[in-house]
Amino acid sequence: NAGVTQTPKFRILKIGQSMTLQCAQDMNHNYMYWYRQDPGMGLKLIYYSVGAGITDKGEVPNGYNVSRSTTEDFPLRLELAAPSQTSVYFCASTALAGGYEQYFGPGTRLTVT
Amino acid sequence: DAKTTQPPSMDCAEGRAANLPCNHSTISGNEYVYWYRQIHSQGPQYIIHGLKNNETNEMASLIITEDRKSSTLILPHATLRDTAVYYCIVRRQGGSEKLVFGKGTKLTVNP
Repeated sequence: NAGVTQTPKFRILKIGQSMTLQCAQDMNHNYMYWYRQDPGMGLKLIYYSVGAGITDKGEVPNGYNVSRSTTEDFPLRLELAAPSQTSVYFCASTALAGGYEQYFGPGTRLTVT
Repeated sequence: DAKTTQPPSMDCAEGRAANLPCNHSTISGNEYVYWYRQIHSQGPQYIIHGLKNNETNEMASLIITEDRKSSTLILPHATLRDTAVYYCIVRRQGGSEKLVFGKGTKLTVNP
């Protein structure tokens, strides 16, 4: 299994541009999450999904959108990028049962200038 | 806000046990203690979790006090690759339950 994969690894955006961060998992996990991590800080939850077609907001959803059309994929859309969205973005997933431990991807480092 | 308190940093000699403390005095009866770590620039990695009994897996041991107000993560033989930020998180089980990350403990394993 590849686990949780994210693309791209790095990206520089200009203010006002848009982009989609890709996340995929091959573990057949129902739950998927997007977090952001600012320098020296812990992770903050942006959005999460409990299954295909179902998404919900986390702590810091403003400026982002998500969709979940398949179990495997959970893309994060940034519209009108702002410098405050400069961060490292992590995607995670967890199974429906068991210990609900979350498995994280390697992250996407985004800079908005 | 995170419901846990951890020291900001700790040091450990390579080959020795690393004991990382965590206080969670307001933990509820149905909340578990989870530990994750984050090696520089990588995604967080799940280590272990427990409710009230001590737990052990191939990575670490988790000791939870009888009153459940604190716990200790033990890495029995720390290596240089264990240098990371360690996060102690309390949460209920369930996919909709948030992981709230505080600032964690930066563990440095020295040769």
